[in-house]
Amino acid sequence: GEDVEQSLFLSVREGDSSVINCTYTDSSSTYLYWYKQEPGAGLQLLTYIFSNMDMKQDQRLTVLLNKKDKHLSLRIADTQTGDSAIYFCAERPLSGGYNKLIFGAGTRLAVHP
Amino acid sequence: KAGVTQTPRYLIKTRGQQVTLSCSPISGHRSVSWYQQTPGQGLQFLFEYFSETQRNKGNFPGRFSGRQFSNSRSEMNVSTLELGDSALYLCASSRGQGGPYEQYFGPGTRLTVT
Repeated sequence: GEDVEQSLFLSVREGDSSVINCTYTDSSSTYLYWYKQEPGAGLQLLTYIFSNMDMKQDQRLTVLLNKKDKHLSLRIADTQTGDSAIYFCAERPLSGGYNKLIFGAGTRLAVHP
Repeated sequence: KAGVTQTPRYLIKTRGQQVTLSCSPISGHRSVSWYQQTPGQGLQFLFEYFSETQRNKGNFPGRFSGRQFSNSRSEMNVSTLELGDSALYLCASSRGQGGPYEQYFGPGTRLTVT
């Protein structure tokens, strides 16, 4: 089946690290994406990882993938107020060769001083 | 390089009317996908086009349709609008299909049905 789950809310202090978690269910090879959405805006692609990788780092962002548990996390180092947004995890199963993304419900990140 | 553009950005329609939304992908991108975002259902896949052909379709009624032109621009149409069609409609463009392609989203069209 196709399902992506995320916790709905995360609150962190400015300067701390944020960790947003996601689980997916598709058992085929897949690409996993993280998007950021600010109020009134579209989705901004942050990073993505293929399911044969364990980790990917891009500046303040670190993605960790546990294939056995189908668990994905996004770590934001030195979280800033500008990071306050909704973060979506999305899965793109490769079966069928299509581009359809299956999204989680989104995690609202609130950064406070 | 210009990003994905969507027009119009905001739209107000009444029940029973129809609406057409437009999406221009990033230059060189040939795949366009459409999504509906609502507070209750989240982000749901509508359909995907590649080389002017619909390649995949989500679980939406036949009132929702789309097409893609030879320049990769895409339109979606919703006929006989219902109140529940009020949503943010997002399109995403990608260079190709099925491979390690990044998918970029436009700002969306916010449709309000009254």
